[in-house]
Parts: sequence; structure tokens; C-alpha cells
Amino acid sequence: KAGVTQTPRYLIKTRGQQVTLSCSPISGHRSVSWYQQTPGQGLQFLFEYFSETQRNKGNFPGRFSGRQFSNSRSEMNVSTLELGDSALYLCASSAGTGAAETQYFGPGTRLLVL
Amino acid sequence: AQSVTQLDSQVPVFEEAPVELRCNYSSSVSVYLFWYVQYPNQGLQLLLKYLSGSTLVKGINGFEAEFNKSQTSFHLRKPSVHISDTAEYFCAVSSLSGGYNKLIFGAGTRLAVHP
Repeated sequence: KAGVTQTPRYLIKTRGQQVTLSCSPISGHRSVSWYQQTPGQGLQFLFEYFSETQRNKGNFPGRFSGRQFSNSRSEMNVSTLELGDSALYLCASSAGTGAAETQYFGPGTRLLVL
Repeated sequence: AQSVTQLDSQVPVFEEAPVELRCNYSSSVSVYLFWYVQYPNQGLQLLLKYLSGSTLVKGINGFEAEFNKSQTSFHLRKPSVHISDTAEYFCAVSSLSGGYNKLIFGAGTRLAVHP
């Protein structure tokens, strides 16, 4: 069974640009969650999508948005990039139907904002 | 609100020695508890989780953790570490009310195993 895949793996952008990151969950999983990992703030929850609906969200500004498609693939978008958005962005997938399930993480997309 | 404190940012240890990585949490509701490991340039891998039941949880790679409700702790242990255990370890919590897939992570503990 293929794992969670994230594309691209590395990205360099400049301030003010926008970026879209993609996450393909494990086949059959309907929940996709996104996290930001930085040296200063650690791992922080961005949002979770389940069956194309945002089910939960963290405390990030509206510049961070996401969506989920009918095949459960998810994208997150960051508009008007700031230097502080440089981070490793991780997505995790699970079946999404119960607390006993394991969330499986992808390798992440490393974003550098110059 | 929930929070997680990992009491050691770095833990050096010799190969084949035992290790304990400490984690305390704060929550006003019942929580689910997790330990994840992150190897360099990789995502997170679940080591073990506590949902309910027995307070001693066994995970992969010989790791185990004990849930202590009175001390609000969930310390990770391994009786004999290997060089390959060198990685960063994260303790995390979630709850039914906060969203069981919304993980709140600690700052991480870097385990360095020396020969």
C-alpha cells in the first residue's frame, strides 16, 4: 500500500507570492490534516479535511487555506507569503472515522521564502 | 486548552543503555496520547498511542510508555537503545472534544545515541 505522498518536496518562493502544496493520502483514507513545522514554533496544526469539508482548524491567519477533492487528495494554499512561512509542511491521512485510527504522515514539503 | 511539555530538549545516551523521554500534558478533558519519531528529512512515524485501558502501552521498535493520570505524564522508555534510534521524538495529545485528529505536539526531544 502506497504511503502518503506530498508534492513538491522542496520549494523556493519570494515574499508576496503564493504557493500551493499537494497531498495524496493513503488509498481509502478520507481525512487529511496539515501541520506546519518550524524550529521556533515546532509542530502546529493547520486544518483537517474530511470528505471535502473542513472539519477542524488551528490558529493560523486566513492567508492559509485548504481544500479537499472528491478523491481525498488535498491542497493547501498560502497567499502573500512572508519570511516566517518558511517551514516544513506535513500532511497526515487517516480513515477519519474514529480516534483509534493511526494518522500516517507524508515526508513533507520544505518551503523556503526569500 | 491542551498543552504538552517535553521536559528534555536533548538526551544523550550510550548504545545499549536504557532511556526515558519525559512528557507531561495539561488538559481539562480526557485525552488521547501519542509518541511519534522523526528521522532526518522524513515525516513522522507513530511509535505508540494511548486511547484507554491498560496504562502501559507497547509500541514499535521496543519502545513502551506509561500513562499516569495523577501525574499527567506519558513517559517513553526503551530498555536498550541502538544507534539507529537517534532521531527526534515528539509527544502529542488530542481529545474527542478538540478533534481526535488535531494533534497538539510538544517541542520535541532529540535523542542522540553514542557508540
